[in-house]
Parts: sequence; C-alpha cells; structure tokens
Amino acid sequence: TQLLEQSPQFLSIQEGENLTVYCNSSSVFSSLQWYRQEPGEGPVLLVTVVTGGEVKKLKRLTFQFGDARKDSSLHITAAQPGDTGLYLCAGDQRAGNNRKLIWGLGTSLAVNP
Amino acid sequence: GAGVSQSPSNKVTEKGKDVELRCDPISGHTALYWYRQSLGQGLEFLIYFQGNSAPDKSGLPSDRFSAERTGGSVSTLTIQRTQQEDSAVYLCASSPGTRQYFGPGTRLTVL
Repeated sequence: TQLLEQSPQFLSIQEGENLTVYCNSSSVFSSLQWYRQEPGEGPVLLVTVVTGGEVKKLKRLTFQFGDARKDSSLHITAAQPGDTGLYLCAGDQRAGNNRKLIWGLGTSLAVNP
Repeated sequence: GAGVSQSPSNKVTEKGKDVELRCDPISGHTALYWYRQSLGQGLEFLIYFQGNSAPDKSGLPSDRFSAERTGGSVSTLTIQRTQQEDSAVYLCASSPGTRQYFGPGTRLTVL
C-alpha cells in the first residue's frame, strides 16, 4: 500500500524556471522529511518539517507542511542545473518505537542549462 | 567524519549464485535499514534493525533474502539463488533517531 503519493513523477525544465513538487497522503505524520538523491549516491536529507503549517526555507528551496500534517510541498525558485536529482519525501508515523519511514516514489527533476 | 559505507560498490553475478552485500553504519547509530532501488525509482523497504529488538523483515520479497546485524554494528544482506529481477541498487542507511544517513549503495547485476 502506497501511503505517500508524490507528483509529478518526472519533471524536465529550463534553468531559471520555478517548480513545485507535491507529497500527499491520507495519513497523518508526526514529521515529514525531504531528501535529494544524485546519481550514484544515496539520498541526503534536505529538511524535516514537524509542525502543521510550518514553512522552512533552504536558499531557493521552500518546504511547507500541510496544516493537517498529511501533505507537504517543495517549491524551487529559479532552478539551477545543480538542482537536478531525485527528490524523495518520507513520513514518520511514530508508531511506538518503530522508526520505519514511509517513502514516496520520488520526483525525478532535470534542470536543463 | 566517517559516513555509512557499503561494499562492494558493484557486483555482477550469474543467475542462481548467492551474493552477500555489506553495510558499515555510522558508529553509535542504533537503527539500520536496507532498501532496494530500481533505476530512477523510489526506495523499496527491505528490512529494519533497531537495537536488540527483533528485526522488521516485512519488506523482504522472498525467503531467498535474509539479513543479519552482528554486534549491533555491521550488517550483511544475503540473496540466495539470485534471479535477474534481483538486479537493482541496494542501499543501506543508519539512524540515531528518525533522520537516515545513507551509504552510496551496491549496484547488483544478475546476468
């Protein structure tokens, strides 16, 4: 059962354009993490959002957690070729001591010069 | 500091052979995860170790897959009688809490 849906699955844009990636669920999460993965490497954490309605900014990246803590978005302003990669969201349902994250399938972003 | 390391980085094997993939987590991290990732796709959870608790094996796709974690540190993922559909990148991650730190993965190719 896929509990976290990411969209779009693929995105190819020109340098300088803006984009938004969505991560949606019918489940509530205690926190949600965004990772970026570059070819040949493992995913690296970008940000964790914890509070409903929270907005976090990381340079040109803006992350938002939905008020109900069921969804999140990642907005990139003026995308650069260095932003190219696979963006993954992962939700923590904090079921007792189990720290297994629920992963989205990812959004593959290509930013063309 | 030292991150998560995995070996080998690449493994090519013949159908039917057994393979062992190794993960060295970050020292002190109590949790260790194995995932499988097909080309450009998301992460498929395989197995999760947390401290001395029984591992969560709910993601293992068949009884050909097994994993162990010795002394709460190094972990080995074993795939017996490999099949072509086992070809993928196998990622290991360790964690002190909820944030996961990933290794670079082992690319397995089954011919």
